[in-house]
Amino acid sequence: EPEVTQTPSHQVTQMGQEVILRCVPISNHLYFYWYRQILGQKVEFLVSFYNNEISEKSEIFDDQFSVERPDGSNFTLKIRSTKLEDSAMYFCARAGGSGVRNSPLHFGNGTRLTVT
Amino acid sequence: AQSVTQLDSQVPVFEEAPVELRCNYSSSVSVYLFWYVQYPNQGLQLLLKYLSGSTLVKGINGFEAEFNKSQTSFHLRKPSVHISDTAEYFCAVTPGTGGYNKLIFGAGTRLAVHP
Repeated sequence: EPEVTQTPSHQVTQMGQEVILRCVPISNHLYFYWYRQILGQKVEFLVSFYNNEISEKSEIFDDQFSVERPDGSNFTLKIRSTKLEDSAMYFCARAGGSGVRNSPLHFGNGTRLTVT
Repeated sequence: AQSVTQLDSQVPVFEEAPVELRCNYSSSVSVYLFWYVQYPNQGLQLLLKYLSGSTLVKGINGFEAEFNKSQTSFHLRKPSVHISDTAEYFCAVTPGTGGYNKLIFGAGTRLAVHP
């Protein structure tokens, strides 16, 4: 059973539509991350989120992407206007243990986003 | 900046045979090293990690890895594999200072265990 629950498990959307991917950590941690994995490619870092703010983001995380934790529990990734190349598996992760350093990330099972 | 190279995209092996999945990294600073496994249709699960201390680290499911600083390698090994070990394996690094915000993953190695 993953320590991070992601919903939905699969999302199909049309190009240009907005999607929101959700992540619910089981325990109350402060550090969250989004990664993505395009089919057949490596897992890529998108963004890290600490204490309700973005702490770092990659070049992939452009203005079409946003993250927030609106209710102090759910952690969401929004893609405003999806493109075909956004099709990928999106993983949410949280830092484990009592601190960020030395603690490995715990990943959810992912949301497969298909943009048609 | 850090980078990770997994030298084999696919490794076929027979059940009960030993296996080694290779990982090399590049970094100008000290790093923490990890191996994650991804079973079909599942997320990434931590197998083991190297932070400091003994260079031989043991993880779950009988896997172990050895950190070799001079060769900048962190190869994953298992003396006898099972069919259930069939999965994608990812090596990852993160800088060892300043807290870590992101893991840098290798491209992955698909381990296929045959009966």
